[in-house]
Amino acid sequence: NAGVTQTPKFQVLKTGQSMTLQCAQDMNHNSMYWYRQDPGMGLRLIYYSASEGTTDKGEVPNGYNVSRLNKREFSLRLESAAPSQTSVYFCASSEAGQNEQFFGPGTRLTVL
Amino acid sequence: QKEVEQNSGPLSVPEGAIASLNCTYSDRVSQSFFWYRQYSGKSPELIMSIYSNGDKEDGRFTAQLNKASQYVSLLIRDSQPSDSATYLCAPREAAGNKLTFGGGTRVLVKP
Repeated sequence: NAGVTQTPKFQVLKTGQSMTLQCAQDMNHNSMYWYRQDPGMGLRLIYYSASEGTTDKGEVPNGYNVSRLNKREFSLRLESAAPSQTSVYFCASSEAGQNEQFFGPGTRLTVL
Repeated sequence: QKEVEQNSGPLSVPEGAIASLNCTYSDRVSQSFFWYRQYSGKSPELIMSIYSNGDKEDGRFTAQLNKASQYVSLLIRDSQPSDSATYLCAPREAAGNKLTFGGGTRVLVKP
């Protein structure tokens, strides 16, 4: 099993460009999450999906949209990238009612 | 706004010593608490979870929880250079699976 996979691993955008970060899990988990991590700030929740067909805002949702395409896939879209969105983005998944979240390898995004 | 506070470090400990990491949280209703380890450039991985007041031991790791004081700690005994990483504290909200992460404590174990 690959666990949680994310693409791309690295991305450089110019201000105003759009892009979609892809995440997939093969553990049959119901819940999926998108976090961003900035130096010294820990992980901050952007959006999450408790189950297929549902999405909810987290702590820092502004400037982002998400799609829970099916049970396996949860994508994060930046419609108009800003330098403040330069960060490392992690996708995670967990089984409903279980405590452990499994993280993907991350996407390092730079917005110039 | 729920807050989770950790000393950012670095916490420098000699090999073989005990590393003591602390975490305080503001959400009084949190019932579950997790410690994640994150190596530089890698993703977080769960190393400990604790749900009840008191101590929980797992190998060289001991988690301690005091809900009345809203305080959770992690002890790493016989610290090894491979323990050099950032340790993230994460209480779970009372309803649902959402975690709130602290900023992390960077630990450096010197041979």
